[in-house]
Amino acid sequence: QLQLQESGPGLVKPSETLSLTCTVSGGSISSNSYYWGWIRQPPGKGLEWIGSIYFSGRIYYKPSLKSRVTISVDTSKNQFSLRMTSVTAADTAVYYCTSGADSSSSYYWGQGALVTVSS
Amino acid sequence: QSALTQPRSVSGSPGQSVTISCTGTSSDVGDYNYVSWYQQHPGKAPRLMIFDVTKRPSGVPDRFSGSKSGNTASLTISGLQAEDEADYYCCSYAGSYTDVVFGGGTKLTVL
Repeated sequence: QLQLQESGPGLVKPSETLSLTCTVSGGSISSNSYYWGWIRQPPGKGLEWIGSIYFSGRIYYKPSLKSRVTISVDTSKNQFSLRMTSVTAADTAVYYCTSGADSSSSYYWGQGALVTVSS
Repeated sequence: QSALTQPRSVSGSPGQSVTISCTGTSSDVGDYNYVSWYQQHPGKAPRLMIFDVTKRPSGVPDRFSGSKSGNTASLTISGLQAEDEADYYCCSYAGSYTDVVFGGGTKLTVL
């Protein structure tokens, strides 16, 4: 049973870079059985898929975020990360790290990390 | 604006059945049998309730069922219970460029 836990700063200044890490326990991030991804939810709003990375090396990003987002995996730490550049107040959200057989069926979710973009 | 269209809200009385629709296009819902549904209670992470249109993960009651016709997927909850009151989101695979898209969410109220 996988467990996911997000970590990172809760406050980021406008125009700066948001960085979050998801620590995976109960399984190996090198497994080809799972994808690793990020989904966010602005306060009071719906879910928004950000991107996914597969063991095969395939990476997908939401087209409208692609120029600002990087998802990467650190196999030595059993972690994966999200990096989003040039943030604005519109990027304020609860960020969830997710996993599952594929990105259309996210069975595992972290508890969520609220990131506020404000000066 | 979300890629998939859901009603903002639905309601039903305990014991009744409700259906939540999720309308996409021929590039997502209509083209792939990879539609999923998530339940989210306030302040909690979403929970996967249905995947691959009709499949239930272990532990999800069989009161929850999914279906699809053309570009529209549906989630039906039968025998409504108070704990079913939550927000529900649909999600669909949308091809190798976009990967997945979500609906805007539907608030289910159990009267």
